[in-house]
Amino acid sequence: GALVYQYPRRTICKSGTSMRMECQAVGFQATSVAWYRQSPQKTFELIALSTVNSAIKYEQNFTQEKFPISHPNLSFSSMTVLNAYLEDRGLYLCGARISNTGQLYFGEGSKLTVL
Amino acid sequence: GDSVTQTEGQVALSEEDFLTIHCNYSASGYPTLFWYVQYPGEGPQLLFRASRDKEKGSSRGFEATYDKGTTSFHLRKASVQESDSAVYYCALSDLGYQNFYFGKGTSLTVIP
Repeated sequence: GALVYQYPRRTICKSGTSMRMECQAVGFQATSVAWYRQSPQKTFELIALSTVNSAIKYEQNFTQEKFPISHPNLSFSSMTVLNAYLEDRGLYLCGARISNTGQLYFGEGSKLTVL
Repeated sequence: GDSVTQTEGQVALSEEDFLTIHCNYSASGYPTLFWYVQYPGEGPQLLFRASRDKEKGSSRGFEATYDKGTTSFHLRKASVQESDSAVYYCALSDLGYQNFYFGKGTSLTVIP
């Protein structure tokens, strides 16, 4: 079956430093990957939608300069949180999409704590 | 733009109670509708999806029917168990699967 591995599961970093997280699709080809941040209140914010061989589309309030994404092939994507501060805390989730269903398969998330 | 509105906040039930979580959507055409469940410490998992009017999705005793007339996809379960305690999300994917929208989530607590 389709699986999405996301790592690291947890990171604690100092304010002003950066954190890179990775997302690996196993058993299927992901036509696109959506990166979300989940707040403590459990709501999802879409950060960006990345499609291989297409420009990455960032949502309002999120920029490439702050959240650079690499999506080199149909099974792997990575995102970095640059210069992390307290407001960047949360659970970052990647959702990999199979084109014929529209369904997103999610990893277990990378929890970022900023001290 | 497209959107999903679901029962917000927390729902507390006793075991064997009947569950309904409301979900209404706003979209053009026939979007694909989903219910996801998220257990503590895990990412969201798909419960089921539906993409046509009157189509019923079901899994693990949960079910929902796509109703284009009322633009709804309400989640129901006849008899909840403690293990059903989790956060439930209604979601929508538009035609062409270019965009994906989550509701704000409903936290279900089932008391044994």
